[in-house]
Amino acid sequence: KQEVTQIPAALSVPEGENLVLNCSFTDSAIYNLQWFRQDPGKGLTSLLLIQSSQREQTSGRLNASLDKSSGRSTLYIAASQPGDSATYLCATYFNKFYFGSGTKLNVKP
Amino acid sequence: SAVISQKPSRDICQRGTSLTIQCQVDSQVTMMFWYRQQPGQSLTLIATANQGSEATYESGFVIDKFPISRPNLTFSTLTVSNMSPEDSSIYLCSVEESGDTEAFFGQGTRLTVV
Repeated sequence: KQEVTQIPAALSVPEGENLVLNCSFTDSAIYNLQWFRQDPGKGLTSLLLIQSSQREQTSGRLNASLDKSSGRSTLYIAASQPGDSATYLCATYFNKFYFGSGTKLNVKP
Repeated sequence: SAVISQKPSRDICQRGTSLTIQCQVDSQVTMMFWYRQQPGQSLTLIATANQGSEATYESGFVIDKFPISRPNLTFSTLTVSNMSPEDSSIYLCSVEESGDTEAFFGQGTRLTVV
């Protein structure tokens, strides 16, 4: 069974800092990997989707990479802002989604 | 991307009662799913809502407790039956659009059982 792990569980950084969130998974047989953002008590907003044949995807200040062979993905956030404060979840997909437990990010003004 | 409307956004319910959550999508989608997110935890898949047939439940979830309907390709409901405080969670509807494995989520229903 796929297991998805996210480290760190929580992260606090000053505004303007570049940061990296990590996601690891045990089974490399995936169709894709998706990064989400979740604000407290709310649903999930899709940030980036990386297909299994791709190495990375970019959207604005966000860049996500995927290394299937090592079972790792990273989400890079450039020039962080207080509005980026949220929980970030990664999920792999192979017939169904497997979610990590998330990294709670706090960007301090 | 699909726009998903989930109702209610939150509710406080008495134990022993039932709550039905609605999920409406603005376009036809192949797959619809229901997830539970208990406080401080990640998402757990409850079931896949199948159009015109019985939902497919994950291990640990049963139809009597979580009956699901999906009458068409744009709408589904999840009922949380005979609620107890342990059912207090965020319930999320998710869809995958036809031919795509990218998931989209509703805004969730925050349920508190007292």
